[in-house]
Amino acid sequence: AQSVTQPDIHITVSEGASLELRCNYSYGATPYLFWYVQSPGQGLQLLLKYFSGDTLVQGIKGFEAEFKRSQSSFNLRKPSVHWSDAAEYFCAVGPIQGAQKLVFGQGTRLTINP
Amino acid sequence: EADIYQTPRYLVIGTGKKITLECSQTMGHDKMYWYQQDPGMELHLIHYSYGVNSTEKGDLSSESTVSRIRTEHFPLTLESARPSHTSQYLCASRPSQAFGTEAFFGQGTRLTVV
Repeated sequence: AQSVTQPDIHITVSEGASLELRCNYSYGATPYLFWYVQSPGQGLQLLLKYFSGDTLVQGIKGFEAEFKRSQSSFNLRKPSVHWSDAAEYFCAVGPIQGAQKLVFGQGTRLTINP
Repeated sequence: EADIYQTPRYLVIGTGKKITLECSQTMGHDKMYWYQQDPGMELHLIHYSYGVNSTEKGDLSSESTVSRIRTEHFPLTLESARPSHTSQYLCASRPSQAFGTEAFFGQGTRLTVV
């Protein structure tokens, strides 16, 4: 079955430090991969997506992610975080056949220390 | 910016009341989804629709029902609210073409049943 695992429930980094959020997926075919961000009390906003081609994809707000098929990973990175990056981050795979839904990971809550 | 709207944003209601959560999108998307999200948890699909007069149950069993009479409107109804229904409900939509498209999310409705 298709699944997404985000191993880190909560990460704390200092403002200005680099960031990497991990995402591993299980999917039987070539995956379509997404990273979404959710600020408190808000819906989900798309940060970036991977469908094919270049395995390093650029997104909004200075984020990037790298697709590694051999490791079934799609980790999110940012070279220097800002206090406004504090939020919940969700990795997703899909759309899955049938419902054509997205399957989401458990999310990683990012806290920024001043 | 995605044109998908959910109302109300917040709702506190007594046990046994009937409620309807509204979701509307102006993008002409055929596919619409309802996800349930408990605090700090992943998103679980509870309902989806391929188009007008099409509704299906998702992965997570839910006592709610949905309807899709118009393309742009996908309301979710609870006939008799219970405290176990307390959660955040997120509506999403995506266009029909192929699989390589992301989902667009509303800002969510946070429901509290007392």
